[in-house]
Amino acid sequence: GQSLEQPSEVTAVEGAIVQINCTYQTSGFYGLSWYQQHDGGAPTFLSYNALDGLEETGRFSSFLSRSDSYGYLLLQELQMKDSASYFCAVLNSGYSTLTFGKGTMLLVSP
Amino acid sequence: GAGVSQSPSNKVTEKGKDVELRCDPISGHTALYWYRQSLGQGLEFLIYFQGNSAPDKSGLPSDRFSAERTGGSVSTLTIQRTQQEDSAVYLCASSPPGAQNVYEQYFGPGTRLTVT
Repeated sequence: GQSLEQPSEVTAVEGAIVQINCTYQTSGFYGLSWYQQHDGGAPTFLSYNALDGLEETGRFSSFLSRSDSYGYLLLQELQMKDSASYFCAVLNSGYSTLTFGKGTMLLVSP
Repeated sequence: GAGVSQSPSNKVTEKGKDVELRCDPISGHTALYWYRQSLGQGLEFLIYFQGNSAPDKSGLPSDRFSAERTGGSVSTLTIQRTQQEDSAVYLCASSPPGAQNVYEQYFGPGTRLTVT
């Protein structure tokens, strides 16, 4: 089976940089995705890593190390609107479904 | 274009009643997923459709839960004899054709189900 571990909550201040970690245990690895979900809203896709290294999309970057079964989401120049829950998810064998972590609630304060 | 839509947005039902939740995926998206999210929790996978067939039903929690998809489009999740533990937000997602697109799913706003 698949299991993912993320911190339950992270706090930071506006303008700062924050890193949200995700470790996974999977039978085979096919890719790691990140999603953002504002309170009461729908999850929205942020990024995807299939290979080791850093993927950058504006203020958000995602990193993967397959040898360490570890990834992280890096948010720079934090804004109040970044307060949300962030989920990592692994792609399952067969490339058909995702298994999500329990999510990390990010609280950005002024 | 239109995103994934779900109806109803909220549903309150009495324990023991049946409910039907509807999902309209993005046009042209062949894959459709149902998830359940309890308060403050992650997304629990329920079922996956590719076209009208369901290759993976492994997440359905009991035989009270069933789902179907018709015309490669609309899907209905049915919960029979609802129980209080069924209370949650039920989310639907879809993704475009191609295995490489599974990692990027487009979610609907969800149906908040409350069983009293």
